[in-house]
Amino acid sequence: SQQGEEDPQALSIQEGENATMNCSYKTSINNLQWYRQNSGRGLVHLILIRSNEREKHSGRLRVTLDTSKKSSSLLITASRAADTASYFCATDNTGGFKTIFGAGTRLFVKA
Amino acid sequence: SQTIHQWPATLVQPVGSPLSLECTVEGTSNPNLYWYRQAAGRGLQLLFYSVGIGQISSEVPQNLSASRPQDRQFILSSKKLLLSDSGFYLCAWSTGTGSYEQYFGPGTRLTVT
Repeated sequence: SQQGEEDPQALSIQEGENATMNCSYKTSINNLQWYRQNSGRGLVHLILIRSNEREKHSGRLRVTLDTSKKSSSLLITASRAADTASYFCATDNTGGFKTIFGAGTRLFVKA
Repeated sequence: SQTIHQWPATLVQPVGSPLSLECTVEGTSNPNLYWYRQAAGRGLQLLFYSVGIGQISSEVPQNLSASRPQDRQFILSSKKLLLSDSGFYLCAWSTGTGSYEQYFGPGTRLTVT
């Protein structure tokens, strides 16, 4: 069963705009991660936020976590065409052995 | 540095034929290993994970099996493929307890005809 669900399913923006993707989950978690997948490739880890953290930054990425609402958001600022990819949230609530991935948001950044 | 290899990159197999996909990790010891399947335009479905040699946990009942004959080798197999086995198969590893980040291989695109 899938734990995380991303919203929207697809997003199309112009280069330079900000992109925001949301993730909702159902049960308590130890941490939440965001991954990127370019078409036909493996996933690349972007950022991990622990359940006791509310916000985290990495370069142009900003992740927030609201455990009371069981939701997270990923913000990509000043998007570039190279940011075109699918973005997945992933949650862990098993102590580190299994991570459950959502269905992903497909982001298309137009040059 | 650590690297993960998967092969083959693409595979076209007829229904009823066997399957063997291999994944190897270099540069780390005693990793947790994972097999995922991704249907077109969808998320990842965890198939198997392993925390050590010979230790396999199955997440989804199906006609696939996994084995870990060596510390850094993970194999996905089937005796008879079904059409529904088509998909993108990804192997991943993590360092284990306390570290949750997973590192993915390039994937194998399997088409069952």
